[in-house]
Amino acid sequence: NAGVTQTPKFQVLKTGQSMTLQCAQDMNHNSMYWYRQDPGMGLRLIYYSASEGTTDKGEVPNGYNVSRLNKREFSLRLESAAPSQTSVYFCASSDRTGSNTGELFFGEGSRLTVL
Amino acid sequence: QKEVEQNSGPLSVPEGAIASLNCTYSDRGSQSFFWYRQYSGKSPELIMFIYSNGDKEDGRFTAQLNKASQYVSLLIRDSQPSDSATYLCAVMWGYSSASKIIFGSGTRLSIRP
Repeated sequence: NAGVTQTPKFQVLKTGQSMTLQCAQDMNHNSMYWYRQDPGMGLRLIYYSASEGTTDKGEVPNGYNVSRLNKREFSLRLESAAPSQTSVYFCASSDRTGSNTGELFFGEGSRLTVL
Repeated sequence: QKEVEQNSGPLSVPEGAIASLNCTYSDRGSQSFFWYRQYSGKSPELIMFIYSNGDKEDGRFTAQLNKASQYVSLLIRDSQPSDSATYLCAVMWGYSSASKIIFGSGTRLSIRP
């Protein structure tokens, strides 16, 4: 099992360019999340998805769009990148069904730099 | 006001001592509470999970929850240099799978030999 896989791991963009961060999980989890982490800021929730076809805004959704393509995949799109979006992005998944706690399982992170 | 607050530290504790990490949260029907450890350049990993008032122990770690005071803490006994990391408090709101999970800003812990 790979767990949660994020691509790409590193990306450099110029201001105004667009890109999509891909995330896939193989644990059959219902919920998926996108966070960003800046130095000293902890993790901030961008968007989350409870199930295929549903998405909800988190703490910092502006400048981002998401797609829950199917149960496995949850992508994050930057339509017009800005230097303020320079950050490390983490995708995570969780499951609250049955005896599961809802613990987040994280990908390795994607480091994005916007020049 | 942030929904989840932590002291950013750094917190410096001598090896073998008890490290105490604290977290407060806004009360909006919050349900479950998590402590994650994050080493520099790595992803967070779960240390403890708690959802009912009181203490929960797992090895050298104890999580304490007081819902009346909106307060959750993590105690690390017999601190080791390998415990040096950032500790993130997370709160899950919601009963269903559509649950929002919000993190505090993290506390940097340093264990000095």
